[in-house]
Amino acid sequence: DEQLLESGGGLVQPGGSLRLSCVASGFTFSTYSMTWVRQAPGKGLEWVSTIHGGGVNIYYTNSVRGRFSVSRDNSHNMSFLQMTSLRAEDTAVYYCAKTKGYCGISTCHYYIDVWGRGTAVNVSS
Amino acid sequence: QSVLTQPPSVSAAAGQRVAISCSGSSSNIGTNYVAWYQQLPGTAPKLLIHDNDERPSGIPERFSGSKSGTSATLVISGLQTGDEADYYCETWDSSLGGGNLVFGGGTKLTVL
Repeated sequence: DEQLLESGGGLVQPGGSLRLSCVASGFTFSTYSMTWVRQAPGKGLEWVSTIHGGGVNIYYTNSVRGRFSVSRDNSHNMSFLQMTSLRAEDTAVYYCAKTKGYCGISTCHYYIDVWGRGTAVNVSS
Repeated sequence: QSVLTQPPSVSAAAGQRVAISCSGSSSNIGTNYVAWYQQLPGTAPKLLIHDNDERPSGIPERFSGSKSGTSATLVISGLQTGDEADYYCETWDSSLGGGNLVFGGGTKLTVL
């Protein structure tokens, strides 16, 4: 059974930092991209970042680029999201997600087939 | 403001059929494959459809997806009260600084 478990969320002041962790089980972790998706209270899903299996190709949404850093440790089946300079608008549940797909010459297939339960981040003074 | 446009809400009676649209552009839906997710209240999203019209194992045939041009549609037939949830479309957008995963704003389904 493929599973993801996030941790590291909590209450942090504006301008502060937080590191989210995600541990995977039940699949060959290093062969899949991992994605972080967040959901602000009462709002829709927002893609945050994707890191490919080898850890070289990394993508960020514009609003977090330069503040957030995604990484992975394939030897321990873990992904991390280091968040700095946090703002009130970063308040959300953060989901770790196993991502399938690739980009070919002319088209991309990317989708999330396994989601974690999420960890809540609250940025407030 | 989401790159992909979905109706905020749809409703239909139990047993009926409902369609949820997802409108994009040439740099996202027009070029790339679409996925759909169901999010029941208080839970994580769940994959319903990938690669425009493919159902993962365990997803009932009542759920179907299609794509035409720069739009995609999720159809749910034989509606059940347990289908009340938020539904999101998703695809890759090739125009935004090398690429981004993008979600629609979500559609809340009410089963009457």
